[in-house]
Amino acid sequence: DTGVSQDPRHKITKRGQNVTFRCDPISEHNRLYWYRQTLGQGPEFLTYFQNEAQLEKSRLLSDRFSAERPKGSFSTLEIQRTEQGDSAMYLCASSAGHEQYFGPGTRLTVT
Amino acid sequence: GQQLNQSPQSMFIQEGEDVSMNCTSSSIFNTWLWYKQEPGEGPVLLIALYKAGELTSNGRLTAQFGITRKDSFLNISASIPSDVGIYFCAGIHGSGNTPLVFGKGTRLSVIA
Repeated sequence: DTGVSQDPRHKITKRGQNVTFRCDPISEHNRLYWYRQTLGQGPEFLTYFQNEAQLEKSRLLSDRFSAERPKGSFSTLEIQRTEQGDSAMYLCASSAGHEQYFGPGTRLTVT
Repeated sequence: GQQLNQSPQSMFIQEGEDVSMNCTSSSIFNTWLWYKQEPGEGPVLLIALYKAGELTSNGRLTAQFGITRKDSFLNISASIPSDVGIYFCAGIHGSGNTPLVFGKGTRLSVIA
C-alpha cells in the first residue's frame, strides 16, 4: 500500500498527558498537511510542511501543539498537556500539487 | 475557521436514484475538490476541478466548477448502497500550496 499512513489509529489518554502521532506521506510528495476533525464537521487545517520547512500554522494550533518533519519525509504531531477539547480525529494529508490525499486518521480520546 | 456551505446536510434516497449536492462560498476559489468519507476513515478524493465552468466525471460521479468560482456541484447517478457516506467539498483559494477549506459535509443514506 503506497498511500498515506498514520499511527496509531486510535489513542486514549488521560487529561494532562502528552501524545505524539506519526504520519508517513506518499513517497515523493513534498507537502504534508495536518488537519483536525470533530464530530459533524469538516476537517480544519492545523499546519503544513513543504519538505522539512513548516510554512503555515493555523490559529487553532495552540502552544501545546507542535509538529515536525525533520527529514522531509514522515511527520509527527505532539500535543502536550492534553485537554478534553483535544478529542478529535487528527488527519494527515500529502500532495505534490493541488490534490491532497488523506491518511486514515488518528482518533484521540482524552478522558 | 472558515468553512464552505454545503447542502443538503443529509439526504435519504432510494437505490437507483440520482443525487445532487452543492457547495457555496462568499469568496472565490481557484480549485474545488470533492471527497467521500466513511466512518472511522480519512476522506478519499473523488474529483478535482481546476477551471471555472469545468465539468468532470468519475464513473457515476459528475462535478462542476461554478462559473462564478464561488460554488461547485456534485451529482451521483444511479445510486448504490456503497455510495453511503459523507461527501465533503473543499476549496483552495490560492495556488496548490495552500491548505484546503472544507464544508461540513452532506451525509448520504441509500435505502435498498
